[in-house]
Amino acid sequence: GQNIDQPTEMTATEGAIVQINCTYQTSGFNGLFWYQQHAGEAPTFLSYNVLDGLEEKGRFSSFLSRSKGYSYLLLKELQMKDSASYLCAVKDSNYQLIWGAGTKLIIKP
Amino acid sequence: GAVVSQHPSRVICKSGTSVKIECRSLDFQATTMFWYRQFPKQSLMLMATSNEGSKATYEQGVEKDKFLINHASLTLSTLTVTSAHPEDSSFYICSAREEIGSSPLHFGNGTRLTVT
Repeated sequence: GQNIDQPTEMTATEGAIVQINCTYQTSGFNGLFWYQQHAGEAPTFLSYNVLDGLEEKGRFSSFLSRSKGYSYLLLKELQMKDSASYLCAVKDSNYQLIWGAGTKLIIKP
Repeated sequence: GAVVSQHPSRVICKSGTSVKIECRSLDFQATTMFWYRQFPKQSLMLMATSNEGSKATYEQGVEKDKFLINHASLTLSTLTVTSAHPEDSSFYICSAREEIGSSPLHFGNGTRLTVT
């Protein structure tokens, strides 16, 4: 079956760095997405990786290793507003999006 | 950037009534839109794929007669929850993308449905 694994919850301190991991087993691979979702709101797009390596976008970076079925989202200089759930999603060989359950990130002052 | 508008944002209805939720792509044409349902503290669950000009494709376990989807134009898809029951209370989110391939999904703001 298809599976996306991410930690359920993480806690970090304001100003620090946190890495949220995502591992996947899917039938084929056509890209990996990271979304941010604040409580009660719809997800918003953060990043897209289809080739191995690191994609940097401001305070957020996303890394992909296709051979390992692994990605991480790196958040630097954490701010209180970064408290949210972070969803990892993989597009399989049929271009269907397979969603992880999300990682709830709690930022403490 | 691409914007998806979803309306209403919140709706409370009585059991047995029907509720229509609209999803519009404001600055791009969307031949395909997606409808998700999300329970508290859970991830998105794809309900159906809405295809412009043809029937929607429903995921396993989703009742097509209960969740009616109409995609009448390239910018509008509607989800109608018919004969709503309290267990239908949930957060419904639509999404669309500008083109296939690497384009990310753009989400509407979601609709919080409460059935009393």
